Amino acid sequence: GQQLNQSPQSMFIQEGEDVSMNCTSSSIFNTWLWYKQDPGEGPVLLIALYKAGELTSNGRLTAQFGITRKDSFLNISASIPSDVGIYFCAGLIAGTASKLTFGTGTRLQVTL
Amino acid sequence: DVKVTQSSRYLVKRTGEKVFLECVQDMDHENMFWYRQDPGLGLRLIYFSYDVKMKEKGDIPEGYSVSREKKERFSLILESASTNQTSMYLCASSSPGLADNEQFFGPGTRLTVL
Repeated sequence: GQQLNQSPQSMFIQEGEDVSMNCTSSSIFNTWLWYKQDPGEGPVLLIALYKAGELTSNGRLTAQFGITRKDSFLNISASIPSDVGIYFCAGLIAGTASKLTFGTGTRLQVTL
Repeated sequence: DVKVTQSSRYLVKRTGEKVFLECVQDMDHENMFWYRQDPGLGLRLIYFSYDVKMKEKGDIPEGYSVSREKKERFSLILESASTNQTSMYLCASSSPGLADNEQFFGPGTRLTVL
């Protein structure tokens, strides 16, 4: 099965810094989702994007659906310790009937 | 509030044992999914189901089977567990409609096969 290229794989940042991560694919997606997974828990949906070029915010998080429909970006502003976790992108290819393709994850660690 | 529950958070089994992982959702969702999660590989789809008694293979179905006798329950079965099936198993559900791509996940079952 296809997987998305997600980068970076891991990040160590200081509290208060901004964070950026992205996902790219060779296929066109018609939906992009961003999830966060806390240690020992299942992923929780953060942001959903449905249109090319769409920019959506959820508190300090902002995500964008790339114009080419082959990529998506997630930004976290002014990071705090509870932002620690693994962030996954997920995309839906047209015609695949609700089957999401997931990125390999970005592990974020925030130091004080 | 949306809820997906999994029968066990941690499970230890021996090679060759038959293992059942249970997932229940209370959102009346039609779609249910089983994934396994391994470091560096992200989430990989094992099986999914769009309706009761209906199942479809995902990307890595070998060594697994599933059962969906009731809408709210989706079971993953390891007929004869092997050490390479040691992993985190995640169940998810979603509903057809405007936001049918938004899958809700359970807390996961960390399975160790000795």
